[in-house]
Amino acid sequence: DLQMTQSPSTLSASVGDRVTITCRASQSIRSWLAWYQQKPGKAPKLLIYQASALQSGVPSRFSGGGSGTEFTLTISSLQPDDFATYYCQQYNTYPGTFGQGTKVEIK
Amino acid sequence: EVQLVASGGGFVQPGGSLRLSCTASGFTFDDYAMHWVRQAPGKGLEWVSGISWNSGSIDYADSVEGRFTISRDNAKNSLYLQMNSLRTEDMALYYCAKDHTGGTDSDYGYFDSWGQGMLVTVSS
Repeated sequence: DLQMTQSPSTLSASVGDRVTITCRASQSIRSWLAWYQQKPGKAPKLLIYQASALQSGVPSRFSGGGSGTEFTLTISSLQPDDFATYYCQQYNTYPGTFGQGTKVEIK
Repeated sequence: EVQLVASGGGFVQPGGSLRLSCTASGFTFDDYAMHWVRQAPGKGLEWVSGISWNSGSIDYADSVEGRFTISRDNAKNSLYLQMNSLRTEDMALYYCAKDHTGGTDSDYGYFDSWGQGMLVTVSS
């Protein structure tokens, strides 16, 4: 199966910081990448699809970029509601595979 | 508003069976593929199984192939997961998730809506 690797695994940041999470695919997935946010005890929530398209209702401080094998999720100004775990998922190749997650913690 | 309400989780001994259900509302159920995704305690997300809009494509993760069966009843807006021969490593929170596409020929996409999750505990 295609492997997805996120970095870092944990990120400590402060409110107002600019935060970037990286997701790397073991082979090209073109732009078929999604990002999800998950808070403790809650279901994942779709943030971004097709690498850079913002899901309806998601704040514009979230942005996605990249293509091929390297992708980023950026939060331009971290808000208290953004402390959560973030997952990337490729859907270029069956079965869709998730990264291992990046936990964004309060510094 | 899309709603996915799961039921059927619980406690079972190794080797036992459980059936999960997921009832959908707020969208045209039979237009979209559906999936089960699980999350073991303290771990990440793992895709388990997917089914296309018309049940023409059905797929499983290697870890559950031959033990789990996914199905859907479009007349009842419902998705199911029959889990047999359960193992301790199957213990997880199970989510049903809506695909953004119909999933024909296993051409699945991203998951734009998720249910609340059902806990499956497998222990002796």
